[in-house]
Amino acid sequence: QVQLQQWGAGLLKPSETLSLTCVVYGGSFSGYYWSWIRQTPEKGLEWIGEGHHSGSTNYNPSLKSRVTISVDTSKNQFSLKLSSVTAADTAVYYCARGRYSVRGIIISINDYWGQGTLVTVSS
Amino acid sequence: EIVLTQSPGTLSLSPGEGVTLSCRASQSVTSRYLAWYQRKPGQAPRLLIYGASNRATGIPDRFSGSGSGTDFTLTISRLEPEDFAVYYCQQYGSSPYTFGQGTKLEIK
Repeated sequence: QVQLQQWGAGLLKPSETLSLTCVVYGGSFSGYYWSWIRQTPEKGLEWIGEGHHSGSTNYNPSLKSRVTISVDTSKNQFSLKLSSVTAADTAVYYCARGRYSVRGIIISINDYWGQGTLVTVSS
Repeated sequence: EIVLTQSPGTLSLSPGEGVTLSCRASQSVTSRYLAWYQRKPGQAPRLLIYGASNRATGIPDRFSGSGSGTDFTLTISRLEPEDFAVYYCQQYGSSPYTFGQGTKLEIK
């Protein structure tokens, strides 16, 4: 049984750095990309980016200058940092088990999710 | 980036009815890398379909997906009370992996 559990600060001031961590219980950790996705009433679901145990990362260009996703295989954890937050970054943030490929073919995507963290940016 | 447009925005239906939801892409989706999710209030999205037509583990067979290129559909053959939720499509063939804006199924 795969479970993702996430945590991090829920209230930030403008210009601060958002920091969230997600730990994975069960299943394989290596081989998957690990994703962060957020949801706002205005923009709906937005893919933030993904990281792999190899160090490979892939970010949404709209956030790329402010995002860092890191993966720690020793702890089965991955993290999101988003710098210089503004009110527009207020959202529910989710971690998810992202894409998994076999011989170049993606055979699974976002099949397990964390519980979500509401992050509010307000002065 | 690929823009996904879902239609209709909201549907009012009764349990037992069938429904087909549409997801149209602004450009062709690579290798049919199109997923469908169900989202209920206060819950994380739940993967229903991946690869346009493959049901995820544990998803009832009343859910089916089809399509290729720029046009995809999710069909629910007979609505159960627990199916009333918001449904999203996502393409993951081209980064950034974009989502549609959602279709809300509400009980008539």
